[in-house]
Amino acid sequence: GNSVTQMEGPVTLSEEAFLTINCTYTATGYPSLFWYVQYPGEGLQLLLKATKADDKGSNKGFEATYRKETTSFHLEKGSVQVSDSAVYFCALVPPDNAGNMLTFGGGTRLMVKP
Amino acid sequence: DVKVTQSSRYLVKRTGEKVFLECVQDMDHENMFWYRQDPGLGLRLIYFSYDVKMKEKGDIPEGYSVSREKKERFSLILESASTNQTSMYLCASSPDGDTEAFFGQGTRLTVV
Repeated sequence: GNSVTQMEGPVTLSEEAFLTINCTYTATGYPSLFWYVQYPGEGLQLLLKATKADDKGSNKGFEATYRKETTSFHLEKGSVQVSDSAVYFCALVPPDNAGNMLTFGGGTRLMVKP
Repeated sequence: DVKVTQSSRYLVKRTGEKVFLECVQDMDHENMFWYRQDPGLGLRLIYFSYDVKMKEKGDIPEGYSVSREKKERFSLILESASTNQTSMYLCASSPDGDTEAFFGQGTRLTVV
């Protein structure tokens, strides 16, 4: 079946540090890949996505590249801010998936200290 | 902006009660979903619906049922609440032909 594995948190960084959150997936074919973010007290919102191999999704300084050869979609940001503190979820939708059902990883909590 | 609204942010219910969680979306999306979120487990799909009166089981449907009588509304029902159903419940919707899902703010349910 389909699954997503992401690094366990919490990840604690100082402001302006470099961020990497690892995500690998198992799926047949070429799924669409996503990063969602959940700020404290809120629901999830889409951060970025990539729908085919070698695509790079980017938003708000975050980037992730769809790597088919390593089945990975690692999230990176060059310089984190306190306001980036949140829980980050990697997710996939399999190809030809009726209803667009997302499969999520376990989530990684990021804490950024001033 | 797409808006997905869940009727309650916090609920406390007693074991054995019948519990209704309501979700409404305002963008005419075909697909609607109920997930539960637990620490370390991420989000797990309970049920989804791809059309009015249509429903499909997700990964963890046991102890839950759903209702979709109108396109904009998707209800999650706990027939007889139990303490292991204490969790954060998230509703989402998405249109056909687009993989992005839009989430509500969540309902934190405590069963005592």
